[in-house]
Amino acid sequence: DAKTTQPNSMESNEEEPVHLPCNHSTISGTDYIHWYRQLPSQGPEYVIHGLTSNVNNRMASLAIAEDRKSSTLILHRATLRDAAVYYCILNFGNEKLTFGTGTRLTIIP
Amino acid sequence: DAMVIQNPRYQVTQFGKPVTLSCSQTLNHNVMYWYQQKSSQAPKLLFHYYDKDFNNEADTPDNFQSRRPNTSFCFLDIRSPGLGDAAMYLCATSLYPGNQPQHFGDGTRLSIL
Repeated sequence: DAKTTQPNSMESNEEEPVHLPCNHSTISGTDYIHWYRQLPSQGPEYVIHGLTSNVNNRMASLAIAEDRKSSTLILHRATLRDAAVYYCILNFGNEKLTFGTGTRLTIIP
Repeated sequence: DAMVIQNPRYQVTQFGKPVTLSCSQTLNHNVMYWYQQKSSQAPKLLFHYYDKDFNNEADTPDNFQSRRPNTSFCFLDIRSPGLGDAAMYLCATSLYPGNQPQHFGDGTRLSIL
């Protein structure tokens, strides 16, 4: 499976936008980019996924670089409830999600 | 709301004593997954069912087995738990395999005495 690289931790102020980066330089043409997050004491939660074009949903936006070697998850206005570990995962259409170490996001009130 | 429900949230068992964890879903999804998440680590897939077809990950220990008697329920059986099996066990579902969002339960935290 292609690997992803994310910062171990990030901090952001409440009510400000958050940009969570993910590098995936060995991504293949058929790999989708998925983002999940895991709040404390909960199971992971699907956030968003995309292939080539930028994607938006009610939770976040996903910006994908033109060469697809990196992507950024954008939370438009962080709240305290967004404090979680965010996982960037590549999936080429099989069933398996291979979670990496993720980014622990801390929101500062 | 449709959801994935895991019971119990906390389970304690003795070393070597078989234990079963349960998962139910109201989403009517075709695929059910079991993940293991040890402390401060990422979730790791153990196996999954696509309808009645069982798919085991190559590195899942033989000590771990699963049953899916119907669409709604899936069980994780640990035949002889060791201390190293203490972990959070997460159940997830998706409508189909592949690039479909997976919906996770909140997990069962298993402790081994």
